[in-house]
Amino acid sequence: GAGVSQSPRYKVAKRGQDVALRCDPISGHVSLFWYQQALGQGPEFLTYFQNEAQLDKSGLPSDRFFAERPEGSVSTLKIQRTQQEDSAVYLCASSLDSSRETQYFGPGTRLLVL
Amino acid sequence: EDQVTQSPEALRLQEGESSSLNCSYTVSGLRGLFWYRQDPGKGPEFLFTLYSAGEEKEKERLKATLTKKESFLHITAPKPEDSATYLCAVQAESGGSYIPTFGRGTSLIVHP
Repeated sequence: GAGVSQSPRYKVAKRGQDVALRCDPISGHVSLFWYQQALGQGPEFLTYFQNEAQLDKSGLPSDRFFAERPEGSVSTLKIQRTQQEDSAVYLCASSLDSSRETQYFGPGTRLLVL
Repeated sequence: EDQVTQSPEALRLQEGESSSLNCSYTVSGLRGLFWYRQDPGKGPEFLFTLYSAGEEKEKERLKATLTKKESFLHITAPKPEDSATYLCAVQAESGGSYIPTFGRGTSLIVHP
């Protein structure tokens, strides 16, 4: 595909449920970023991969959040035991590499925790 | 800590009424400043990257400029389809971190 794709686009979860959000980056892009965007706010960094290596996870809000990119392409963001405060749009972005390179964003997954 | 402040938070314009959006930043060495457009329910769409003070870039009705403290996104004769939230982000030079810091955005509405 030409751009970054994410699935599902929308997810409704009951509090305490586990969810998995998928990101397919642009083919050949080395770097992959996950962001959380609350309503009316800019994207907030969660974690960053260079190929399969997770180089920075300082933005993950708790140990309930886990991300992986085992083959250096598709990435999954997993949230365990979801809480209402996890409700947000989760954005994935990829770039050719990390230094001075523009990030291209996917459409996001809108998560609502009831 | 890197900081990005965008103003105004919201802007309403009449079609054809030119204006500017501001992005003020504090960063320990600027690697790059990025402008994105975000439509409701969609991810941010890349517009421009600026790397050094004095640099300018244009695309259709949009022109981005950069100084050592701020960036402006000038919109000339806007049309209703320019309505969106415009996000600014900075990437710091130091520390090896490639993580951009985003502002909260300016919500632009252009009335026909």
